[in-house]
Amino acid sequence: EVQLVETGGGLIQPGGSLRLSCAASDFTVSNKYMSWVRQAPGKGLEWVSVIYSGGTTYYADSVKGRFTISRDNSKNTLYLQMNSLRAEDTAMYYCAIYCSGGSCYSGGYYYYYMDVWGKGTTVTVSS
Amino acid sequence: DIQMTQSPSSLSASVGDRVTITCRASQSISNYLNWYQQQPGKAPKLLIYAASSLQSGVPSRFSGSGSGTDFTLTISSLQPEDFATYYCQQSYRTPWTFGQGTKVEIK
Repeated sequence: EVQLVETGGGLIQPGGSLRLSCAASDFTVSNKYMSWVRQAPGKGLEWVSVIYSGGTTYYADSVKGRFTISRDNSKNTLYLQMNSLRAEDTAMYYCAIYCSGGSCYSGGYYYYYMDVWGKGTTVTVSS
Repeated sequence: DIQMTQSPSSLSASVGDRVTITCRASQSISNYLNWYQQQPGKAPKLLIYAASSLQSGVPSRFSGSGSGTDFTLTISSLQPEDFATYYCQQSYRTPWTFGQGTKVEIK
């Protein structure tokens, strides 16, 4: 069964750094698109970043230049390096995989959807 | 960035009701639209992708429609386990943005 387990959250002071990990089982992270999505307390979902199977990365404007998504194929783990943290980065952080069941290709087009999610890890930025 | 706007932000309904949630994109996104359900304290769950394709294992009372800028999620007969928050998300262009959510509450 495809599973994702996030770790690395915690309490961190503004301006600090933190690295989140997302350990994957039953699939190979390098073969899939994967994302980080966050949710501030009492708020909606915010898409943070994606890494393509080929290694291309994209970010939300709110984290661009401060966060870096990466993966370690030998550990089959996705990461989110978060620098220059701000109070507004306080959130539950989820990792997710796109199209876990196979290809995102359907009817001549690619449709990207997150169908497996981890349970999340909490990041609190506060002094 | 593409802005996604859901309406209403919340609604109250009874078991058995037909419920419709709307999602509007700030520009055309063809049918690159996903719907997720989130129960309190849980991770989101995929319901619909490509605007109208039902994810495996999701009950058939859920359906999606639309193309271009206007989309709808319909629950044909609301069940107790459907009281949750629903989000649309576009995957047409990065950043793949979410709507602000629609909370479905018990009347």
